[in-house]
Amino acid sequence: KNEVEQSPQNLTAQEGEFITINCSYSVGISALHWLQQHPGGGIVSLFMLSSGKKKHGRLIATINIQEKHSSLHITASHPRDSAVYICAVLWGGGADGLTFGKGTHLIIQP
Amino acid sequence: ETGVTQSPTHLIKTRGQQVTLRCSSQSGHNTVSWYQQALGQGPQFIFQYYREEENGRGNFPPRFSGLQFPNYSSELNVNALELDDSALYLCASSLDLSGGEQFFGPGTRLTVL
Repeated sequence: KNEVEQSPQNLTAQEGEFITINCSYSVGISALHWLQQHPGGGIVSLFMLSSGKKKHGRLIATINIQEKHSSLHITASHPRDSAVYICAVLWGGGADGLTFGKGTHLIIQP
Repeated sequence: ETGVTQSPTHLIKTRGQQVTLRCSSQSGHNTVSWYQQALGQGPQFIFQYYREEENGRGNFPPRFSGLQFPNYSSELNVNALELDDSALYLCASSLDLSGGEQFFGPGTRLTVL
């Protein structure tokens, strides 16, 4: 079964710390998404990657296709970054929708 | 604001009943996917529609069915509701089938008693 693994499951850090969340997957993909979900359910798309690196504000996402691994980094973390961060992949065929990791529950303390 | 809306926000049904959930995608988005997210779990893929045809389906029984309309709206229908169907139901729209950016709706919280 194709799987997506995320780590850590839970992360508590102090405001200002550099945060890294990791995602690995089992087979080739056509795209990888990093998503943010706040309490109450709404999901926001942060990045869609198929190669390399993307940056938006304090968020950076990287992907290594050969190693089947992606990371999401948050620089100068802030309490408003507290949320669940989810890695989701679209497998090569594309007709199976996104497969989601279990998410990383991030809490940034002031 | 993604431009994807879902209705209703919350819904309570009893076991055995039928429910219809609605999603309005961004204009021009030909693909809509539906996901079920049980409490504390990641979303699970139910099915995907592209230009009004079912294009892919996850591991859900036939009592989960869908429709997509030319006006970029879609429906998820669930028959013979079971207690385990209680979950947050999310729709996500995208331009096409190439795996591009997904725009999620706020979800419908379904409780089955």
